[in-house]
Amino acid sequence: DQQVKQNSPSLSVQEGRISILNCDYTNSMFDYFLWYKKYPAEGPTFLISISSIKDKNEDGRFTVFLNKSAKHLSLHIVPSQPGDSAVYFCAAKNTGTASKLTFGTGTRLQVTL
Amino acid sequence: KAGVTQTPRYLIKTRGQQVTLSCSPISGHRSVSWYQQTPGQGLQFLFEYFSETQRNKGNFPGRFSGRQFSNSRSEMNVSTLELGDSALYLCASSLTGSYDGYEQYFGPGTRLTVT
Repeated sequence: DQQVKQNSPSLSVQEGRISILNCDYTNSMFDYFLWYKKYPAEGPTFLISISSIKDKNEDGRFTVFLNKSAKHLSLHIVPSQPGDSAVYFCAAKNTGTASKLTFGTGTRLQVTL
Repeated sequence: KAGVTQTPRYLIKTRGQQVTLSCSPISGHRSVSWYQQTPGQGLQFLFEYFSETQRNKGNFPGRFSGRQFSNSRSEMNVSTLELGDSALYLCASSLTGSYDGYEQYFGPGTRLTVT
């Protein structure tokens, strides 16, 4: 049972344009969401997070939007840069369950010149 | 501040053998979690240790076990290895795993290949 879903396994975006990565979840107990970026042969790197009490969180070129009623979140990268090419994982947790993160299967972003 | 370190980085084992992986968290971090990454499955939570106690456990068989030492370093053990255990094993640390430490910081992983 995949509680966190990233339905697009890959995405290609031109440099300078906006990248939008999507994530859906089914567990209504999730109340904290995170995005991680992963390069080959490295562990995931924390990017940005959002609590369920917010609907938007921004950090530089990265913005995460949360739509609780739709159980949907998205990561916007503006402007996209070639160095952003990586696999992006969405993760969710119930803050009452300590450190267990439930991850999506990832979206591979390719930023082209 | 040094990041999360994992040893070894690569490992090849034979079916039926056992293996022990090691993780050193970021200094000051007391929570260590372990994840298994396989193609198409994303990252699957194995277990979490906090102050030498297992605090949370995922849906993996008992062949997968772990422990944490007083200095927060953690080890993961897999006994009676199966071909399907071939994966990237990732360790992540966070301050406490609670409100002030939701963000987890990952090590580079140990690539285990079972033949």
